[in-house]
Amino acid sequence: EILMTQSPATLSVSPGERVTLSCRASQSVSSHLAWYQQKPGQAPRLLIYGAYTRATGVPARFSGSGSGTEFTLTISSLQSEDFAVYYCQQYNSWPPGYTFGQGTKLEIK
Amino acid sequence: EVRLVESGGGLVQPGGSLRLSCAASGFTLSSYEMTWVRQAPGKGLEWLSYVDTTGTARFYADSVKGRFTISRDSDSVYLQMNSLRAEDTATYYCVRRSGASVTRRFLDYWGQGTQVTVSS
Repeated sequence: EILMTQSPATLSVSPGERVTLSCRASQSVSSHLAWYQQKPGQAPRLLIYGAYTRATGVPARFSGSGSGTEFTLTISSLQSEDFAVYYCQQYNSWPPGYTFGQGTKLEIK
Repeated sequence: EVRLVESGGGLVQPGGSLRLSCAASGFTLSSYEMTWVRQAPGKGLEWLSYVDTTGTARFYADSVKGRFTISRDSDSVYLQMNSLRAEDTATYYCVRRSGASVTRRFLDYWGQGTQVTVSS
């Protein structure tokens, strides 16, 4: 099973700041990596797939990069609505199933 | 508009059963593979189960294998949950997989979830 590790667990940032979240896979997942955003009380929402392709309706301030085992999600200028938990997920190894990172929570500083 | 609406959650005693349903609209359900993902209170996301477009291929996480069964018909996807345990307490999401090829296996649409509580 491929393990996904996200860092940091929590990040305190101010609106307007640039922030980078990290995700590491225990073995190569090529570019088959997705990012999801989850706001309190809501279902997760697809943000990025294929490591860097924004999903429909996702603002351009969100960008993804990386391949193999190291990936990043960057938010260029944090807006109030971006404070949420972000999960990465690999979909390269199938079956047996999907694995998610443990999440990074963005908090308002 | 793609919509996935889960139902069937609730309070159940340990050892009991529940059947979750996921009603799909806004797209042709029979063309998409579907999954269930859960989230325990205050925890992260855990993939549980997958079913292909025909209902023939099904996969399960080790944590639910032998206890949960995924199925589907033309309008809905189901998760039969038996021998429930306290650790199955979670919000259960019905999620669409974008496609079958390796480049499209990400999860593109999520339902709002249904809460399952296992407690005596």
